[in-house]
Amino acid sequence: NAGVTQTPKFQVLKTGQSMTLQCAQDMNHNSMYWYRQDPGMGLRLIYYSASEGTTDKGEVPNGYNVSRLNKREFSLRLESAAPSQTSVYFCASLASTVNTEAFFGQGTRLTVV
Amino acid sequence: AQTVTQSQPEMSVQEAETVTLSCTYDTSESNYYLFWYKQPPSRQMILVIRQEAYKQQNATENRFSVNFQKAAKSFSLKISDSQLGDTAMYFCAFMKGWSGAGSYQLTFGKGTKLSVIP
Repeated sequence: NAGVTQTPKFQVLKTGQSMTLQCAQDMNHNSMYWYRQDPGMGLRLIYYSASEGTTDKGEVPNGYNVSRLNKREFSLRLESAAPSQTSVYFCASLASTVNTEAFFGQGTRLTVV
Repeated sequence: AQTVTQSQPEMSVQEAETVTLSCTYDTSESNYYLFWYKQPPSRQMILVIRQEAYKQQNATENRFSVNFQKAAKSFSLKISDSQLGDTAMYFCAFMKGWSGAGSYQLTFGKGTKLSVIP
């Protein structure tokens, strides 16, 4: 049981480049999330998908887009990377209010130069 | 939007002693869930304890317990008999239950860095 898998683990981008962070979960969870973690700022929600077919903005959505491709996969796209998007990105998934434990991926360390 | 506030950026405790981490939240919802997550240096996020808002009894998990004060919107974490392995960042989190817009939105505080001193 792999849980939540994020790819890649590390990435360096040049300003203006685009990339997609991939996230997949094999636990049949309904809800999926993307966060960024910066020193002193905690985990800030970028986008989330409460269920397959829906996506909603979180606290810091500007500069990002998401796609809930199917129940398993939730991708995060940076169309034109900026140095301010240098961060560690976490994907998470959660079953439902019956089982409210969120499971997290290992994180992606992204550096934009 | 819900907000979660952790007012203690850093704390330290002697091994085997007890420490309490504070968390307050702001919401107008009645159906919600509260959590404490631990993030050790490995960066892995680990659920420590959770509380359903409709339950009056405070949750406990071995050495970890919470003091849930619903009217005061306070959710503190008490760690008893602190161990070196408890050294980590601790995040308080809030999730709205199933009730229209914003359902299942999971919001975290900024965290408290806890150091357990031998």
